[in-house]
Amino acid sequence: QSVLTQPPSVSGAPGQRVTIPCTGSSSNIGTIYGVHWYQQLPGTAPKLLIYDNTNRPSGVPARFSGSKSGTSASLAITGLQAEDEADYYCQAYDTSLSASVFGGGTKLTVL
Amino acid sequence: EVQLVQSGAEVKKSGESLKISCKGSGYSFPNYWIGWVRQMPGKGLEWMGIIYPGDSDTRYRPSFQGQVTISADKSNSTAYLQWKSLKASDTAMYYCARVRGLAASGFDSWGQGTPVTVSS
Repeated sequence: QSVLTQPPSVSGAPGQRVTIPCTGSSSNIGTIYGVHWYQQLPGTAPKLLIYDNTNRPSGVPARFSGSKSGTSASLAITGLQAEDEADYYCQAYDTSLSASVFGGGTKLTVL
Repeated sequence: EVQLVQSGAEVKKSGESLKISCKGSGYSFPNYWIGWVRQMPGKGLEWMGIIYPGDSDTRYRPSFQGQVTISADKSNSTAYLQWKSLKASDTAMYYCARVRGLAASGFDSWGQGTPVTVSS
């Protein structure tokens, strides 16, 4: 059982908007530390999509955005494309573990 | 361009030792934390620990403390993940990744992964 909770799956049609929530606690997402999001395409290494809650590394399309409020964070994807079909993970630093933790991951299906 | 290149696939037996590597290039290796992430077959990502090659400061997730050893050789720009006695439950893909800033930051560059298979 992961410290950060994500739904196992979400889905959406091409062109639609989907959100992936990540729920934590006061010792991880609820701290001053940022939440980070990764995309993992089948058979490949993860790729950083969002860092420090809302920031996109260069090369990541503006269709991807992140937010954080209290002990929860979320990743939003607008204008869904077939190539977005992947697993998505949130990550945050946990002060009670003195270590970072990942969410359990969410599989995005583009219908 | 930042690159992390990991050593190749390993097939081992329970009880054997193993050390896998991750060589960094394209950036100042001593000045960035580098970490290891486990992904068991069909499962999610698990943060194992990180090391700062400049001074070898190492942090482990408690569940991995004592089970593995993370080390680095800054003169060779290489990080390592080591087991003294493998178990079948160590079968997984292992990724190294560079931390983009402070220890609590995200991983901005990843290696290609090293698959480890341990048979009982």
